[in-house]
Amino acid sequence: DTEVTQTPKHLVMGMTNKKSLKCEQHMGHRAMYWYKQKAKKPPELMFVYSYEKLSINESVPSRFSPECPNSSLLNLHLHALQPEDSALYLCASSQDPDRDGNTIYFGEGSWLTVV
Amino acid sequence: GDSVTQMEGPVTLSEEAFLTINCTYTATGYPSLFWYVQYPGEGLQLLLKATKADDKGSNKGFEATYRKETTSFHLEKGSVQVSDSAVYFCALRDDFNKFYFGSGTKLNVKP
Repeated sequence: DTEVTQTPKHLVMGMTNKKSLKCEQHMGHRAMYWYKQKAKKPPELMFVYSYEKLSINESVPSRFSPECPNSSLLNLHLHALQPEDSALYLCASSQDPDRDGNTIYFGEGSWLTVV
Repeated sequence: GDSVTQMEGPVTLSEEAFLTINCTYTATGYPSLFWYVQYPGEGLQLLLKATKADDKGSNKGFEATYRKETTSFHLEKGSVQVSDSAVYFCALRDDFNKFYFGSGTKLNVKP
């Protein structure tokens, strides 16, 4: 079972709103990831949490704020977004971030539209 | 830095045709290599992987061999089906657990 669950599937928010994307996995994976994907483009890494600590931040603007409350959950808090932030946001997880061949498994994604 | 280059699409084939999608990589260490598939409106699904030189990954009739001498990981399938229509991403994982994705290749299979 390689299930990563993301909610909501679709989100429309105004530029002054505060919202959150949520991600959950119950596979005992120790690393979780946020990616952003624009249409017809590959996923772009935003953040990586390893063992519940933020290990990679790809210079993401502060209007995106990740949070890892425990090893199974990953949130992405959104505030004061711009229309160009509209994209598919993908959560992923992997079993062991330190192991060769470590494989990431993606959720279905959350479609975000900023109006 | 590390990177992945894959052939531009779209690739259009008739059902039962042979498929090759080229992927080459640049890496300073010893990467693991992956192919992911994305169906319309969905997230990425792992298709296959290889963790060291000369390994062959295979799944659902697809296969790819990790070729260190040519820094390649080409995806092949002997006989494609309409249901294989999707976007295929080649990816590598570096020694620091960062994943790099190619630009994606769209495959259209016609009946």
